[in-house]
Amino acid sequence: DAMVIQNPRYQVTQFGKPVTLSCSQTLNHNVMYWYQQKSSQAPKLLFHYYDKDFNNEADTPDNFQSRRPNTSFCFLDIRSPGLGDAAMYLCATSRGGGKSTDTQYFGPGTRLTVL
Amino acid sequence: KQEVTQIPAALSVPEGENLVLNCSFTDSAIYNLQWFRQDPGKGLTSLLLIQSSQREQTSGRLNASLDKSSGRSTLYIAASQPGDSATYLCAVRSHNTDKLIFGTGTRLQVFP
Repeated sequence: DAMVIQNPRYQVTQFGKPVTLSCSQTLNHNVMYWYQQKSSQAPKLLFHYYDKDFNNEADTPDNFQSRRPNTSFCFLDIRSPGLGDAAMYLCATSRGGGKSTDTQYFGPGTRLTVL
Repeated sequence: KQEVTQIPAALSVPEGENLVLNCSFTDSAIYNLQWFRQDPGKGLTSLLLIQSSQREQTSGRLNASLDKSSGRSTLYIAASQPGDSATYLCAVRSHNTDKLIFGTGTRLQVFP
């Protein structure tokens, strides 16, 4: 039944050690998003893919990269995690295409801890 | 630049009360507005989506209204229950974008 799946749910990494978070979807949606959410803050969009077109937010640090090898999967790579990157990372999908009925569907998130 | 504000930041009420959560946005050129629920340490669950041409949407005990011209939306929760305790986020999708802009949320606690 799960439509947007994130793995792992909890990730612990060391300062500076690269980490990859995974998101997959069964909705066949065109758009996939990655958000960062720190405690008591709003989700902050890092980047999104419309099909294979990558759209980076202007204030997303270079430390964050993403890959979308196919429609179903999208990865978030953090090249050198710092203590400030500890957060919940949320993946979402939507059909895209400009319809006002378009809803974003969120996964359960990955909680990243940086030691 | 679209900005979304939610008031109050936190709310604590006894079970059974009807309550209103507020969301305001600065740019009225929107496709839609969504209300989400987030339980601690969890992802976001979509509650209601209001298209720009609509004025309200209802789902069970929840009713969301939209006044696009004044840049406001309210989420009304009837007969609140302890299970309603969560953070409620509103998010706006502006024209010509697939992106959502989120408010910082209202943290609701309903006590028995």
